[in-house]
Amino acid sequence: SQQGEEDPQALSIQEGENATMNCSYKTSINNLQWYRQNSGRGLVHLILIRSNEREKHSGRLRVTLDTSKKSSSLLITASRAADTASYFCATNSNSGYALNFGKGTSLLVTP
Amino acid sequence: DTAVSQTPKYLVTQMGNDKSIKCEQNLGHDTMYWYKQDSKKFLKIMFSYNNKELIINETVPNRFSPKSPDKAHLNLHINSLELGDSAVYFCASSPLAGGPGDTQYFGPGTRLTVL
Repeated sequence: SQQGEEDPQALSIQEGENATMNCSYKTSINNLQWYRQNSGRGLVHLILIRSNEREKHSGRLRVTLDTSKKSSSLLITASRAADTASYFCATNSNSGYALNFGKGTSLLVTP
Repeated sequence: DTAVSQTPKYLVTQMGNDKSIKCEQNLGHDTMYWYKQDSKKFLKIMFSYNNKELIINETVPNRFSPKSPDKAHLNLHINSLELGDSAVYFCASSPLAGGPGDTQYFGPGTRLTVL
């Protein structure tokens, strides 16, 4: 069953601006992951944050996790046209093997 | 040196036909998956295999039959294709058996169109 819900569904910004995407989930988790999907391509793992972590950084990416609100956010700073893609949050399924993905946020960064 | 590869990339076929999609990973991972992405980009797990054994079968019609000849390959065979099977199918793999929410590595996808 669908676990995550991203918000907004679509986001359009200009190069250099920051992009923030939010994700809410329903059940308890071990960790939460963010993936990027460029048009016509497979998903690429960006970052994983564990349930006992509140914030994590990787390059221009900053992820926060609030387990009390069952929500996470992904911030991309100083965005570039190459950041144009769909971004998905994912949580582990009950069995722990597969991932439950949200519907994704479609990000458009214009030069 | 592609990590997770799928063939074919595009598949167009008539209703009622039987088709297969192949997946191979050269990462030495124990666990492989098939996901279906619909026209609204929603991704849903179909199957998961760990060391050639079926772990997850998520309410997928039995027209879909995964086959894992070895832990580096997970193929998907679909019988009696229906219009609703049109989607993009992604293969993925992850390193640890039973690891909760391991990072997954995705193939490029196979776009299936059923006419």
